[in-house]
Amino acid sequence: QKEVEQNSGPLSVPEGAIASLNCTYSDRGSQSFFWYRQYSGKSPELIMFIYSNGDKEDGRFTAQLNKASQYVSLLIRDSQPSDSATYLCAVLPGRTGNQFYFGTGTSLTVIP
Amino acid sequence: DTEVTQTPKHLVMGMTNKKSLKCEQHMGHRAMYWYKQKAKKPPELMFVYSYEKLSINESVPSRFSPECPNSSLLNLHLHALQPEDSALYLCASSQGALGGARDTQYFGPGTRLTVL
Repeated sequence: QKEVEQNSGPLSVPEGAIASLNCTYSDRGSQSFFWYRQYSGKSPELIMFIYSNGDKEDGRFTAQLNKASQYVSLLIRDSQPSDSATYLCAVLPGRTGNQFYFGTGTSLTVIP
Repeated sequence: DTEVTQTPKHLVMGMTNKKSLKCEQHMGHRAMYWYKQKAKKPPELMFVYSYEKLSINESVPSRFSPECPNSSLLNLHLHALQPEDSALYLCASSQGALGGARDTQYFGPGTRLTVL
């Protein structure tokens, strides 16, 4: 079983719609969760982090964490063509150390 | 300021060459990382320096040699690479294993390496 799993997509949504990206993790003791956006040929860029159960909102982005079900999601409201990218979920496991576990990434395309 | 810089942006080298990648951050972070990323794959951790000591070495071939001269600088020395080592090499930094937001890793722009 992989530490972090994401649907690789591709996920296509029309402009203005809500894009929903999901991630599950295996280490129940995981503490911190991160979403990165990566444009083709560029480096990952932090979108949000979350470490408490519930929702966290930042502009058009909402991260949701459910530790009991071991999943974290990212909602993008009013999707724009500029949101087209690969979204990486990263998890910091509960054991000591600072090694991230990355999901394989979900490719999102927003259709104008 | 959450800037991590990397040089060079692009590097083409032959299999017998020796070259180095450089990474710098001035955020006072105490953990620095090297990742390798192939197309359509997530970043793959190579090395972690925590408080200038190598803390994680993910069984990377010895043709890759990391160096952390001080808390702001991280180098990756390359020697006798293979064509399959061609990839995007990413440097990242974080405050350290302190919990919560302080574990956030900030990535540099990467070095696109091509081995001929």
